[in-house]
Amino acid sequence: GQQVMQIPQYQHVQEGEDFTTYCNSSTTLSNIQWYKQRPGGHPVFLIQLVKSGEVKKQKRLTFQFGEAKKNSSLHITATQTTDVGTYFCAGWGYQLTFGKGTKLSVIP
Amino acid sequence: EAQVTQNPRYLITVTGKKLTVTCSQNMNHEYMSWYRQDPGLGLRQIYYSMNVEVTDKGDVPEGYKVSRKEKRNFPLILESPSPNQTSLYFCASMDDPRNTEAFFGQGTRLTVV
Repeated sequence: GQQVMQIPQYQHVQEGEDFTTYCNSSTTLSNIQWYKQRPGGHPVFLIQLVKSGEVKKQKRLTFQFGEAKKNSSLHITATQTTDVGTYFCAGWGYQLTFGKGTKLSVIP
Repeated sequence: EAQVTQNPRYLITVTGKKLTVTCSQNMNHEYMSWYRQDPGLGLRQIYYSMNVEVTDKGDVPEGYKVSRKEKRNFPLILESPSPNQTSLYFCASMDDPRNTEAFFGQGTRLTVV
């Protein structure tokens, strides 16, 4: 079945350092979505990418969708303590499948 | 305000005692889904529903039942809970799962002893 792998599982960074999480699918995706879950909270939608090679930015966050529509990345520039949480990618192939998430810790 | 409401938020129960976790959305979404979240395993889909009276198994359906008698409600039923169903559960709804965002409920933390 469709699988979405996400790495790394955990990332600890010093405040001000950059952070990247990667998502890879076993199948071609129609779209990729990214969600953020704060500690003790629920996943909240960040963005959706649809086109091959698409790049979108939200302030310090940069999202990319690969040319083959099988991989994606989320990059955070100069992390802040407010970035703490777990970041999930989710891809639609024939169902919406979530990656296992990357838990980001930011050391002040 | 657009929202997905789950109840209860916390529940401790004993093995074998039937329970229902309710989920309701006010956005007229056709697609609803249940997930369980466990450390290191991410969000795993239990059941989903594309519309009223249409439900399908997700990746981990064993031990769970659902129903979709009306568009806004999608309850999750554990007929005979077991300790391995101790988890954090999320309900989600989407207008079109192929093209729109998922709205998640606040979560239900279930402990089965």
